[in-house]
Amino acid sequence: EVQVVESGGGLVQPGGSLRLSCAASGFTINTYSMNWVRQAPGKGLEWISYITRSSRTIYYADSVKGRFTLSRDNAKNSVYLQMNSLRDEDTAVYYCARDRNEEAFDIWGQGTMVTVSS
Amino acid sequence: AIQMTQSPSSLSASVGDRVTITCRASQDIRNDLGWYQQKPGKAPKLLIYATSSLESGVPSRFSGSGSGTDFTLTISSLQPEDFATYYCLQDWNYPRTFGQGTKVEIK
Repeated sequence: EVQVVESGGGLVQPGGSLRLSCAASGFTINTYSMNWVRQAPGKGLEWISYITRSSRTIYYADSVKGRFTLSRDNAKNSVYLQMNSLRDEDTAVYYCARDRNEEAFDIWGQGTMVTVSS
Repeated sequence: AIQMTQSPSSLSASVGDRVTITCRASQDIRNDLGWYQQKPGKAPKLLIYATSSLESGVPSRFSGSGSGTDFTLTISSLQPEDFATYYCLQDWNYPRTFGQGTKVEIK
């Protein structure tokens, strides 16, 4: 089965850090770009980051630029989102999504919850 | 960043109804638009890509149209499993931007 599975979420204090992982199975991740999308409680979807197959190009939403870092390890079939200087407004479910040909997010994980609170 | 404006933000409809959701981009995005369905507590699901291409496995009652700045998702005959929130997403450039969502509720 083609799927991605996120992990690493949890409760963290403001200013703290977390590292999210997205593990792919059923396909080889090095043939796809990948994205992260988040959803605050009761709110809509927000795209936050993108990485190309080779990691040559990485984009971030302004809301996380300078605080979040996206990386990938194709040998481990995984991508990682390092989140630093976390704020209350970063509280959300974080989804990993496969990017098909720059035209669709075709495979989504189940999401991992990040709660930033003191 | 391109702003995506969806309307309506919510609607009530009955099983069998024809439902139309619109999405307007703040600038020309050609046909680089997709539609996603999300049910409570679940991940989004791709329905339509490139404005009008139906994703494999998605029922044919879903269709998309439009170009440039104005786009439409149509459900030809609403089914019980279609009650959900729908989002458009532009993939013309980065940052990618979603519409604010349209919640389709049971009348």
